[in-house]
Amino acid sequence: SQQGEEDPQALSIQEGENATMNCSYKTSINNLQWYRQNSGRGLVHLILIRSNEREKHSGRLRVTLDTSKKSSSLLITASRAADTASYFCATDARTGRRALTFGSGTRLQVQP
Amino acid sequence: NAGVTQTPKFQVLKTGQSMTLQCAQDMNHEYMSWYRQDPGMGLRLIHYSVGAGITDQGEVPNGYNVSRSTTEDFPLRLLSAAPSQTSVYFCASSYSAMSGNYGYTFGSGTRLTVV
Repeated sequence: SQQGEEDPQALSIQEGENATMNCSYKTSINNLQWYRQNSGRGLVHLILIRSNEREKHSGRLRVTLDTSKKSSSLLITASRAADTASYFCATDARTGRRALTFGSGTRLQVQP
Repeated sequence: NAGVTQTPKFQVLKTGQSMTLQCAQDMNHEYMSWYRQDPGMGLRLIHYSVGAGITDQGEVPNGYNVSRSTTEDFPLRLLSAAPSQTSVYFCASSYSAMSGNYGYTFGSGTRLTVV
């Protein structure tokens, strides 16, 4: 079963606009991570936020984490056509398997 | 620095055939794992390893075997291929098996079709 579920499933925006993707999860976590996947490629790690952190920035990326609501959001500011990709959240649960559990992803299309 | 290397990139098998998907990393990562990705879905964990000689099952282990004789290599064996195993397979590694808050490095994937 999926631990993380992204919302929306698909998002289409214009270049220069901001893109926001949300992730909900079910169990207590050590950290939550966001990955990007370009079509036909492997996943690339974007950012990791620990359970005791509420917000983290990396370049044009801003991630928030609300452990009380078991949710996270990824904001991409000033989007570019090159940001077109699928974005996945992944959770590192406190108990159980030593492995990340991935959501089903958000497909982002940035129109030039 | 090659990162995580998966071979082959594409493979077509007949039902009942066996094969091994190769995964190698040159980063001295302790942790390695195999996922499968089906259309429109996220990644599902098949098997993982927290170090040489140690493996464990993931969410969808049936029909697959793994071994970890060295830190660098983590091959995935399909015992008797079935059409339901048609998928894209990703190998991933991480510096530590502990909750050390490390991201994964992924290979570029193996696209497998079973006919």
